[in-house]
Amino acid sequence: NAGVTQTPKFRVLKTGQSMTLLCAQDMNHEYMYWYRQDPGMGLRLIHYSVGEGTTAKGEVPDGYNVSRLKKQNFLLGLESAAPSQTSVYFCASSYEVPRTSGEDEQYFGPGTRLTVT
Amino acid sequence: DAKTTQPPSMDCAEGRAANLPCNHSTISGNEYVYWYRQIHSQGPQYIIHGLKNNETNEMASLIITEDRKSSTLILPHATLRDTAVYYCIVRPRKSGGSNYKLTFGKGTLLTVNP
Repeated sequence: NAGVTQTPKFRVLKTGQSMTLLCAQDMNHEYMYWYRQDPGMGLRLIHYSVGEGTTAKGEVPDGYNVSRLKKQNFLLGLESAAPSQTSVYFCASSYEVPRTSGEDEQYFGPGTRLTVT
Repeated sequence: DAKTTQPPSMDCAEGRAANLPCNHSTISGNEYVYWYRQIHSQGPQYIIHGLKNNETNEMASLIITEDRKSSTLILPHATLRDTAVYYCIVRPRKSGGSNYKLTFGKGTLLTVNP
């Protein structure tokens, strides 16, 4: 059981280049999330998905697109990278739980360190 | 979501209990208190959560005051590997709405010293 994995671990892009970050989970979780973390800051939600084929915007969605074609994968795309997108990107997933339970902790991947020059 | 206040940093001696405080004076009745931690360069890790009763699991204990305006995370026997940033997060329980996100502040950097 690998949990949540992210590919790649590191990447350097030039301004204007595009790339896709891949997140995969093997826990059969319904929900998946993309966060970014800037130096010395907490995490901010970019986009999230509540199930295969669905996505929604988080706090800081501009400049990013996402897709959830398969339940186990959540892709984050940067169409035209900017230096302001230099950050560490974390993917997370969680269960869809019954209403009677509060057990909805999020499981995080190891992160992707992206530098845009 | 209710705002939380945590000290920016704390120190603890190895083997001693680490008590991390969190103030959440604007918490509402349907909001849970969650604790996560982030060890350097890793993704955040869930620790524990609670509504109004004290909770304990294999990692930690969570003590919530009777008025629910503050809480304390207790690591009973801190080790060097517990050095991390600890985040206190308050959010509603999932109930079919859009309360999916975790709002991470700056947390408390706990340094466990040998």
